[in-house]
Amino acid sequence: QQPVQSPQAVILREGEDAVINCSSSKALYSVHWYRQKHGEAPVFLMILLKGGEQKGHEKISASFNEKKQQSSLYLTASQLSYSGTYFCGTEDRQFYFGTGTSLTVIP
Amino acid sequence: NAGVTQTPKFQVLKTGQSMTLQCAQDMNHNSMYWYRQDPGMGLRLIYYSASEGTTDKGEVPNGYNVSRLNKREFSLRLESAAPSQTSVYFCASVTGWMQETQYFGPGTRLLVL
Repeated sequence: QQPVQSPQAVILREGEDAVINCSSSKALYSVHWYRQKHGEAPVFLMILLKGGEQKGHEKISASFNEKKQQSSLYLTASQLSYSGTYFCGTEDRQFYFGTGTSLTVIP
Repeated sequence: NAGVTQTPKFQVLKTGQSMTLQCAQDMNHNSMYWYRQDPGMGLRLIYYSASEGTTDKGEVPNGYNVSRLNKREFSLRLESAAPSQTSVYFCASVTGWMQETQYFGPGTRLLVL
C-alpha cells in the first residue's frame, strides 16, 4: 500500500535541479507532496488530482500520471532551504505516506 | 490561532507503563489523524477520526487506543508501553476528505525503556 519513492537520497549543489518520483501499486485519485525538515513536522506542499494537472509551488512543481500510477516532484534551481525529506502521499480509504526521499542542497 | 498543539513534547516511559498523548486543533477541522514516525522511515497511520464521534484503525493500530473527545481534541493512549513503541508521534488536523491538506502538530518524542 505504501507508495515507493526514488531516489532514496540525493545531494545537490545550489542551483541544480532534481526530480523525485513516487509510484503506487494501486490506482490513484490524488497525490500529495510534503516536505519535512530535520526535527520538524511535515509541511504540505501541494496536492494533485486526477487529470494529470501539473501544479507549482515556488520553483517546485509536480506532475501526476494516473494511468501509470506515478507522480514526480520537480525542484528547479534548488536553494539551501529546499533541504529536507520529501514524502508523497496517497489515499485508499486511508492515507499512506511514501518511503521518503532525503534531499540535501549544499553551497 | 495556535493550529495543532501536542502534549507532551517528550516523554520517557518504562515498559508496561501507560500514558496518553494529547492533540488539539483550533481550525474547526472535522478529521484528525495520529501517525508514528520511526528513524529513517516515513509516517505510518495509527488511527484516524473522520468526524467527531468516529474513529477508525489505520495501518499500525495494535497497542494503541484513541478517543475523539470533541471536535477539537483527539487523544492517543498507550495502555502498556513496549520498547517497539519508541517513536515520534505526530497528530494532524485535516481540512477535508479526499482533497485534504494535513496540518501537523510539532510531535511527541516517546522513549520506552
